[in-house]
Amino acid sequence: QSALTQPASVSGSPGQSITISCTGTTSDVGRYNLVSWYQLLPGKAPKLMIYEGSKRPSGVSNRFSGSKSGNRASLTISGLQADDEGDYHCCSYLSGGWLFGGGTKLTV
Amino acid sequence: EVQLLESGGNLVQPGGSLRLSCAASGFTFTSHAMTWVRQAPGKGLQWVSTIVESGDKAYYADSVKGRFTISRDNSRNTVYLQMNSLRVEDTALYYCAKATSGTCDQWGQGTLVTVSS
Repeated sequence: QSALTQPASVSGSPGQSITISCTGTTSDVGRYNLVSWYQLLPGKAPKLMIYEGSKRPSGVSNRFSGSKSGNRASLTISGLQADDEGDYHCCSYLSGGWLFGGGTKLTV
Repeated sequence: EVQLLESGGNLVQPGGSLRLSCAASGFTFTSHAMTWVRQAPGKGLQWVSTIVESGDKAYYADSVKGRFTISRDNSRNTVYLQMNSLRVEDTALYYCAKATSGTCDQWGQGTLVTVSS
């Protein structure tokens, strides 16, 4: 199964909003309401930012939001801050496993 | 506080073997499936394998099926990944993650596996 499709990079200025897309198929993103988003920073454990498409774990800023329409999921970060800079990966649950996107490098 | 501590990564020659370990603490280990995910240099994350709570069922990515074996010791709160017939393309940072209702919600910092002659 092919990886989910994400843009390689996005950028924004402090205070702005950006959206990262994650495109799959009817077999993954479109089939399950189990899309999650992770923030990867060098030397740190990946951090769950959004799960089940739009839910935020405790402790994650409400500047982060997720949505899904059909085979496409999106992560929006509003009020960009310098420490939001990093790599963001989407993920869709499949029966028995997971499928990830290629990752998007966010530059603030 | 949930902690997942991976170990066992190393430099190994093609065709060689390694066993990774992930020691878990801070949650009820027997209530969660456990997963290994890897990230090759410059690439995205890739799911490798998952083992259910009881340990009696496991799932594998096609790229590692027949070569890797996941297992868990619920008495030691530890999950393992036995990797045989290693290939250059298995070079990656290997993460252990706790799974909850279809989401990998907590991750370790990873252990580095390098396959090279």
